[in-house]
Amino acid sequence: RKEVEQDPGPFNVPEGATVAFNCTYSNSASQSFFWYRQDCRKEPKLLMSVYSSGNEDGRFTAQLNRASQYISLLIRDSKLSDSATYLCVVRSGGSYIPTFGRGTSLIVHP
Amino acid sequence: DTGVSQDPRHKITKRGQNVTFRCDPISEHNRLYWYRQTLGQGPEFLTYFQNEAQLEKSRLLSDRFSAERPKGSFSTLEIQRTEQGDSAMYLCASSLPGLADTQYFGPGTRLTVL
Repeated sequence: RKEVEQDPGPFNVPEGATVAFNCTYSNSASQSFFWYRQDCRKEPKLLMSVYSSGNEDGRFTAQLNRASQYISLLIRDSKLSDSATYLCVVRSGGSYIPTFGRGTSLIVHP
Repeated sequence: DTGVSQDPRHKITKRGQNVTFRCDPISEHNRLYWYRQTLGQGPEFLTYFQNEAQLEKSRLLSDRFSAERPKGSFSTLEIQRTEQGDSAMYLCASSLPGLADTQYFGPGTRLTVL
């Protein structure tokens, strides 16, 4: 089983839709969780950290479920510019090394 | 532009040749990471420096790969005797002390081994 698993998609949604991605992780000792965004042929950029209590940044909401070992990303009112690959990132306690998922592709169409 | 820079952006080489890539991190960042990314996959960790010390290396990193960060500033990644399977995007990232989780990536070096 991979350490971090994501559905590669693509998720194809119309503008204005709400879309959610999940990411599962296998190491119960994982302590830090993040979502990065990667545009086509560009480098990854941090979208948001995922806190135990959940967190929201504008149209984006991230949540952590430790019992089931997954994190989620919810995007409301999708924009064309949200089209990208969303990478789930997990780091175990005591290590500075993050593990990236393979990413979930989102395509927002008019 | 004071972001992470990488050079070259593209490299085409023949199998068996050696290649070297350079990464210049954001100036005050003491941590520097190298990753490899292939199509349809997320970045895969290769190695990590804190200042000039190489603290971790992936078990996937064969002995053909070596990285240095001699003065704790820029870093180089060398691949000796390249193989076609080395074709990938090589990404460098840096982070601030105490904020290792917020990594800033460079644009990457795309390597094609013929």
